[in-house]
Amino acid sequence: KAGVTQTPRYLIKTRGQQVTLSCSPISGHRSVSWYQQTPGQGLQFLFEYFSETQRNKGNFPGRFSGRQFSNSRSEMNVSTLELGDSALYLCASSLSWGETEAFFGQGTRLTVV
Amino acid sequence: KQEVTQIPAALSVPEGENLVLNCSFTDSAIYNLQWFRQDPGKGLTSLLLIQSSQREQTSGRLNASLDKSSGRSTLYIAASQPGDSATYLCAVPPSNTGKLIFGQGTTLQVKP
Repeated sequence: KAGVTQTPRYLIKTRGQQVTLSCSPISGHRSVSWYQQTPGQGLQFLFEYFSETQRNKGNFPGRFSGRQFSNSRSEMNVSTLELGDSALYLCASSLSWGETEAFFGQGTRLTVV
Repeated sequence: KQEVTQIPAALSVPEGENLVLNCSFTDSAIYNLQWFRQDPGKGLTSLLLIQSSQREQTSGRLNASLDKSSGRSTLYIAASQPGDSATYLCAVPPSNTGKLIFGQGTTLQVKP
């Protein structure tokens, strides 16, 4: 059974650009959550999607957005990139909304220069 | 507001030692608690999930306990090995959703 797949694994972008990250959950899982991990702030919740609807949102600016497709795959987008957006972005999948046993992907390492 | 704390931040032990990692949380009204392992630059690997009605869970050399009333969980690693070197994170959901609040982690080094 395939795990959570995140693409791409590494990205280098310039300040002001935008970026889209992708996450394919475990087959049969319908809930996808996104987290940002930085050395200073640790792991912080971005948002959670279930059945194509955003169920929860963390305390991040509107430059961070996401969506979920009918096949449960999810994308997150960051517009007008800032140096401080450099981080490891992690996606987690769960069986259903409210089912909090989370399984994480390998992450996308974003570097903003 | 739920806050999760892990002590110590770092730990170095010789191979073969039994060790305990600590996790404390401020709001005892949790649905469950999950322990993860993270290798440098990698994603999180789920180790154990303890439901709020459970006192402990075991998987191989790992045993996690949960005491909701005191707001504490411990992860016990028996007969540690160099391959156990990683950062260990605990996390709780503030409500019955997929949102997890993480501790800062304990970085473990097991020396051969």
